Amino acid sequence: ETGVTQSPTHLIKTRGQQVTLRCSSQSGHNTVSWYQQALGQGPQFIFQYYREEENGRGNFPPRFSGLQFPNYSSELNVNALELDDSALYLCASSLNREETQYFGPGTRLLVL
Amino acid sequence: GENVEQHPSTLSVQEGDSAVIKCTYSDSASNYFPWYKQELGKRPQLIIDIRSNVGEKKDQRIAVTLNKTAKHFSLHITETQPEDSAVYFCAATPGAQKLVFGQGTRLTINP
Repeated sequence: ETGVTQSPTHLIKTRGQQVTLRCSSQSGHNTVSWYQQALGQGPQFIFQYYREEENGRGNFPPRFSGLQFPNYSSELNVNALELDDSALYLCASSLNREETQYFGPGTRLLVL
Repeated sequence: GENVEQHPSTLSVQEGDSAVIKCTYSDSASNYFPWYKQELGKRPQLIIDIRSNVGEKKDQRIAVTLNKTAKHFSLHITETQPEDSAVYFCAATPGAQKLVFGQGTRLTINP
C-alpha cells in the first residue's frame, strides 16, 4: 500500500451543495494530482499541485478548485454540486512533478 | 491533447495462460507509460511503467513493450493466476504529469 491517505472515504451530498475532499501525500512527495473516476471509466485528470502552486488543469469547470498546503497535503473543493459529480475522487502523490504517481484509496461522492 | 485507446475492454483467460492488453496513444510528445491494476473498490495500483527511451521492461510475470513509431504499448502477463483478476488501465503522458488513461480492461482468470 502507498502512504497516500484520503478523507472522508464516503460522502453523500445534495445538488447545489459544496464539498471539500482531503489528501495527505506520501512522505517526501511534493506533488499531488487529483482525478475523477466515474463508474466503469478510467480516471480523468482534474488538476495537479506542485509546491503549493497549480501545475496544470484538465477539462473541468472553475467550480472545481484546489489547494496545496506547506506540508504538501491538498484539498479538492467542488461548488454547486451536480448529479454528474457523483464519482470516485482519487488523489495521487509523486516525489516530483514528473515522477511516478501513487494513488490514495479515494473518496466516493454521491450527489442526490 | 493526448487520447489513449485501450483494447480489449474485457478479457477472459484460463489460469496459467498469458494475457495481453494493448493501448494506442495520439500525442507523439508522450514519454511515460504506466500501467495500473484496480481491484474492485480499491485504489489503482502501479504494476509497471516504461519511459520512451526503453522499448521493453520486465518484472517477473509482467512485461510492457513500447513501439514509439506506431504509438502503441502493450502489457503482457504470463502464467496468470486468479489474483491477477482485476481492471487494468494504461496511461500516457508527456512528463508524467497529467496522466491520460485508457478505458480499462476487465481481466478474468478462470481456474
